[in-house]
Amino acid sequence: KAGVTQTPRYLIKTRGQQVTLSCSPISGHRSVSWYQQTPGQGLQFLFEYFSETQRNKGNFPGRFSGRQFSNSRSEMNVSTLELGDSALYLCASSNRAVEGTGELFFGEGSRLTVL
Amino acid sequence: AQTVTQSQPEMSVQEAETVTLSCTYDTSENNYYLFWYKQPPSRQMILVIRQEAYKQQNATENRFSVNFQKAAKSFSLKISDSQLGDTAMYFCAFGGTSYGKLTFGQGTILTVHP
Repeated sequence: KAGVTQTPRYLIKTRGQQVTLSCSPISGHRSVSWYQQTPGQGLQFLFEYFSETQRNKGNFPGRFSGRQFSNSRSEMNVSTLELGDSALYLCASSNRAVEGTGELFFGEGSRLTVL
Repeated sequence: AQTVTQSQPEMSVQEAETVTLSCTYDTSENNYYLFWYKQPPSRQMILVIRQEAYKQQNATENRFSVNFQKAAKSFSLKISDSQLGDTAMYFCAFGGTSYGKLTFGQGTILTVHP
C-alpha cells in the first residue's frame, strides 16, 4: 500500500509570492491534516479535511488555506509569502471518520524556503 | 487547550543499552490517545507506539514500551536494546476529541552511539 505522498519535496519562493503544496493520502483514507514544522515553533496544526469539508483549523492567518478533492487528495496554499513561512510542511492522513484524533500517517513533507 | 512537554532536548545512549524519554501533558479531556512518533533524519514521521487513555495496561511494541501514569499525566517511552537505527528525533503527541489534530511536544533528539 502506498504511503502519503507529498509534492513538491523542495521549493524556493520569494517574499510576496504564493505557493501550493499537494498531498495524496493513503488509499482509503478520507481525512487529511496539515502541519507546519519549524525549529522554533515545532509542529503546529494547520487544518484538517474530511470528504472535502474542513472540520478543524489551527491558529494560522487567513493566508494559509486548503482544500480537498473528491478523491481525498488535498492541497494547501500560502499566499503573500513571508520569511517566517519557511518550514517543513507535513501532510498526514487517517481513516478516522468520527470525532477524535487517532493515529496519523505522515508524508515526507515539503520543504519551503522563502527568500 | 492541551499542552505536551518534553523536558529532555537531547539524549544519548550506547548501543544495546536502555534509555527512557520523558513526556508530560495537560488536558481536561477523559478520552484521548497518546503517541510517540519518531522522525529520523530522512524526515518521515513514523509511529512508534500508541496508548489509549482508557487502557490501564501499558502499551508495548517489541523493544519499545511506555509507562503511562494517567493521574500524573505522564507518558514516558522506554527503548530497550538500543540500536543505531533508533537515532532520531522523538515526539510525544496528544490526540484528543478534535478532528485531525495532534498536539506535539518539542521533541527529544536521541543519539545511539556504537
